[in-house]
Amino acid sequence: DAGITQSPRHKVTETGTPVTLRCHQTENHRYMYWYRQDPGHGLRLIHYSYGVKDTDKGEVSDGYSVSRSKTEDFLLTLESATSSQTSVYFCAISESAGGGYNEQFFGPGTRLTVL
Amino acid sequence: GQQVMQIPQYQHVQEGEDFTTYCNSSTTLSNIQWYKQRPGGHPVFLIQLVKSGEVKKQKRLTFQFGEAKKNSSLHITATQTTDVGTYFCAGRLIGADGLTFGKGTHLIIQP
Repeated sequence: DAGITQSPRHKVTETGTPVTLRCHQTENHRYMYWYRQDPGHGLRLIHYSYGVKDTDKGEVSDGYSVSRSKTEDFLLTLESATSSQTSVYFCAISESAGGGYNEQFFGPGTRLTVL
Repeated sequence: GQQVMQIPQYQHVQEGEDFTTYCNSSTTLSNIQWYKQRPGGHPVFLIQLVKSGEVKKQKRLTFQFGEAKKNSSLHITATQTTDVGTYFCAGRLIGADGLTFGKGTHLIIQP
């Protein structure tokens, strides 16, 4: 498996609290992604990054923000968590996108429950 | 928005039977990838198809990319219990930076 870790692996929080999920890679890949996975919806892209301090929105970005201050770390923040954000969150990395054709490597996932 | 549709959502088969999942896009794709996710696990890359009409095989798995680069299929011959999981297609729209995933097909195998 590619060197991707996510922390925490499980979290239970209350509505209205801020939550930050961390993705850390040791592969020096340029692209990093955050997805959420929900039953019946598959994997949906929240935000992605194509370099340090370079990020862009995905399909379901409302309520989420991201930051990437170092190549190896990509943070996903829920400023004020809601129950609809209860989900499994996956981080993924790839060497390139767009004109490149590289596969994405996924982290182990974080299960977040918002009560 | 742009979508990648995948059918069926669930497929029950007896061990030893064949299995096929289909993926369709409303627009032309630059490439398509397939991933497998075991229960409780994370998606794992299986293969990428790039060329129109491309066919690739991995042991009992056969992957096809349509001539118009709008559809793809994954066929498993003689399923085994180790094939259990969810199979996702993921298409890259031309000019896009990311992948659009289908909702996946859950393969359930009865011994």
